[in-house]
Amino acid sequence: AQSVAQPEDQVNVAEGNPLTVKCTYSVSGNPYLFWYVQYPNRGLQFLLKYITGDNLVKGSYGFEAEFNKSQTSFHLKKPSALVSDSALYFCAVRANYGGSQGNLIFGKGTKLSVKP
Amino acid sequence: DAGITQSPRYKITETGRQVTLMCHQTWSHSYMFWYRQDLGHGLRLIYYSAAADITDKGEVPDGYVVSRSKTENFPLTLESATRSQTSVYFCASGVGETQYFGPGTRLLVL
Repeated sequence: AQSVAQPEDQVNVAEGNPLTVKCTYSVSGNPYLFWYVQYPNRGLQFLLKYITGDNLVKGSYGFEAEFNKSQTSFHLKKPSALVSDSALYFCAVRANYGGSQGNLIFGKGTKLSVKP
Repeated sequence: DAGITQSPRYKITETGRQVTLMCHQTWSHSYMFWYRQDLGHGLRLIYYSAAADITDKGEVPDGYVVSRSKTENFPLTLESATRSQTSVYFCASGVGETQYFGPGTRLLVL
């Protein structure tokens, strides 16, 4: 079965420090991977995606993610965290089976807290 | 305004009542989706639609009904609301692999 795991419920970092939010996936075939961010009382916003090509994907707001096929991971990173980055982050993989092709399977989310 | 909107934003109802959540998008995206978000579960797909008059079940469809007579609208109906359907509901529309989410409807079933 296809799935996404976000092993950390919460990540705490100090402003200005690098941040990493972890994601691992299980999918047959080549994965299509995504990161979304949710600010309080808002819907999810698309950050970035990996379809093919360079393993380092750059997205919105200075975020990037590194695809690692051997480790089946797609970790979200940012070199210097901002307090305004505090939010809930979701990793997702595109389902590629049967009639659900194209649907996204989401992880449970990781709450990022950036302290000044 | 362009985008995806949901109404109502907040709803309180009682067990057994029928409730309809509305979703409207102005991009003419062919795909539309309904998710529910619950603590500890992330987002779970309820129903999706590939085009007008084409809908299909997601991971947690029981107790929900959808329709899509027009490309831009994708209403979700709870036929007889239960307390377990208390949740935040998100509608999304998509192009390619990327989905764009509405602001959500917070539903409380008493």
